Amino acid sequence: GQNIDQPTEMTATEGAIVQINCTYQTSGFNGLFWYQQHAGEAPTFLSYNVLDGLEEKGRFSSFLSRSKGYSYLLLKELQMKDSASYLCAVLDSNYQLIWGAGTKLIIKP
Amino acid sequence: ETGVTQTPRHLVMGMTNKKSLKCEQHLGHNAMYWYKQSAKKPLELMFVYSLEERVENNSVPSRFSPECPNSSHLFLHLHTLQPEDSALYLCASSLGTSDYNEQFFGPGTRLTVL
Repeated sequence: GQNIDQPTEMTATEGAIVQINCTYQTSGFNGLFWYQQHAGEAPTFLSYNVLDGLEEKGRFSSFLSRSKGYSYLLLKELQMKDSASYLCAVLDSNYQLIWGAGTKLIIKP
Repeated sequence: ETGVTQTPRHLVMGMTNKKSLKCEQHLGHNAMYWYKQSAKKPLELMFVYSLEERVENNSVPSRFSPECPNSSHLFLHLHTLQPEDSALYLCASSLGTSDYNEQFFGPGTRLTVL
């Protein structure tokens, strides 16, 4: 079967760095997405990785290792507004998105 | 604002009611999706429409009935629902359904079935 694993909840301190991991086992691979979802709001796109390596976009970076079936989202200089759920999703061989359950990130002052 | 709107934002209904959820996208996309999001569970894909034709139906109970009258509008008709159907229902759209297809989501309808 297809499976995406990510931690259910993480806590970090304002101004710090946090890494949210995602491991996957899917039928084929056509890329990995990270989305951010604030409570009661729509998920919004953060990043897309299809090649191995690190993609940096401001305070957020996303890493992919296809051989290990592993990705992480790195958030630097955390702000209170970063408190949200972070969803990992893989595009499988049929171009269908397979979703993880999301990681709820709590930022403390 | 993601360019995808959903109404209503909240809905409470009894098991014998009939109601409809509406989604509209203003992005010129050709594909639209219905997802179910339950607490601490992955997003569950329910239906996919591409160019107004249904291309995916993931074993969803018949009490959920989608309708896509044009590429900008998507409906989910609900009837005789069960309490376990209570969840957040998300609509999304994308340019297409093959290749890289970033999906843009609406804010969802929070459905409670009594």
